[in-house]
Amino acid sequence: ETGVTQTPRHLVMGMTNKKSLKCEQHLGHNAMYWYKQSAKKPLELMFVYNFKEQTENNSVPSRFSPECPNSSHLFLHLHTLQPEDSALYLCASSGPSGATSLSSYNEQFFGPGTRLTVL
Amino acid sequence: DQQVKQNSPSLSVQEGRISILNCDYTNSMFDYFLWYKKYPAEGPTFLISISSIKDKNEDGRFTVFLNKSAKHLSLHIVPSQPGDSAVYFCAASYTGNQFYFGTGTSLTVIP
Repeated sequence: ETGVTQTPRHLVMGMTNKKSLKCEQHLGHNAMYWYKQSAKKPLELMFVYNFKEQTENNSVPSRFSPECPNSSHLFLHLHTLQPEDSALYLCASSGPSGATSLSSYNEQFFGPGTRLTVL
Repeated sequence: DQQVKQNSPSLSVQEGRISILNCDYTNSMFDYFLWYKKYPAEGPTFLISISSIKDKNEDGRFTVFLNKSAKHLSLHIVPSQPGDSAVYFCAASYTGNQFYFGTGTSLTVIP
């Protein structure tokens, strides 16, 4: 596998279910991200991890719980979701640095996404 | 409040002609801008970027222009090809870690 992979690609779940989304990057990056893309809305950044440490949490409801066991893997644990949480969930990675200086900007590499439907 | 806006949801262009995709932003702190391209069932892929110290960056058929005073950037594709048909997102950042995306413009290149 190369690049950024995500599993599953499609997920249908009920509001009482618990499920997890998985992301894996094979690029040697040390920053990983979760985004949500709803119809006709911009990509919304949910979480950022740098060197396995969470550095951003953009007011995401607690029914979304991220986990980053190492720099290559990122999970998004889902529980008691609502129908409005149905969206495309995209994982991305960048690296090697997450610093703020201009010279350290790195474009993000995205996975193919998980299409989530909450019934 | 949306800080990066793409006001044209769709654009159709004849093959061989120029495609111009526009993007406006509101935050004057942004100093790095990117364009991504997205095909159906795939994640966005990086296309081209520009930092605020430049007003133009070119890569093959793709050129990005930045007008800081107008807080506007544009992506020019010349000549347009049918394989360029995709959704194009612009993004902006000032932290290096957090990017703000537009809603995307769907480009259709007609053979």
